[in-house]
Amino acid sequence: EDQVTQSPEALRLQEGESSSLNCSYTVSGLRGLFWYRQDPGKGPEFLFTLYSAGEEKEKERLKATLTKKESFLHITAPKPEDSATYLCAVQAGDVNNDMRFGAGTRLTVKP
Amino acid sequence: NAGVTQTPKFQVLKTGQSMTLQCAQDMNHEYMSWYRQDPGMGLRLIHYSVGAGITDQGEVPNGYNVSRSTTEDFPLRLLSAAPSQTSVYFCASSYGSGRGETQYFGPGTRLLVL
Repeated sequence: EDQVTQSPEALRLQEGESSSLNCSYTVSGLRGLFWYRQDPGKGPEFLFTLYSAGEEKEKERLKATLTKKESFLHITAPKPEDSATYLCAVQAGDVNNDMRFGAGTRLTVKP
Repeated sequence: NAGVTQTPKFQVLKTGQSMTLQCAQDMNHEYMSWYRQDPGMGLRLIHYSVGAGITDQGEVPNGYNVSRSTTEDFPLRLLSAAPSQTSVYFCASSYGSGRGETQYFGPGTRLLVL
């Protein structure tokens, strides 16, 4: 059965303390892996799409990487405004109805 | 552009009541979908539409109906609310339904069924 598991469930960092969030998946025929950011009381906001193993994408302090079994979201020198829940989703088929979401990692960055 | 809008933001229902959650987008997206988000679980797909007049079931469709009469609107109907439908509901849209299409989410509707 297709599964997406994110770890850790929650992560507390000091401002400037770099770390990584993990998204491991077991799907057959990965078509795309998505990272979203979700602030409390709001909808998910798109960050990155990765399509194949070895691919990397960056945006400000965030860098997403992809292997055949997992993706990492690296956060370099985080700031308090990076505090949010980060969601990972995988698309296993050719259409969006094959999207599977992880439960998310809740990141708190203390000043 | 307003993007994806949802109304209401918050709703309390009694068991057995019916209601419609509204979703609209102004990006001329063909694909629209409804998800529910529960604590400790990932977003789960309820229903989706690949264009006006075309809808289909997702992972958790029981207790919900949808229709798509225009490109812009995709309402979600709860026929007879149950406490198990207490959740946060998100509508999303994308330009197409194919591989790697980015979905854009609305702000959500929080539903409490007593």
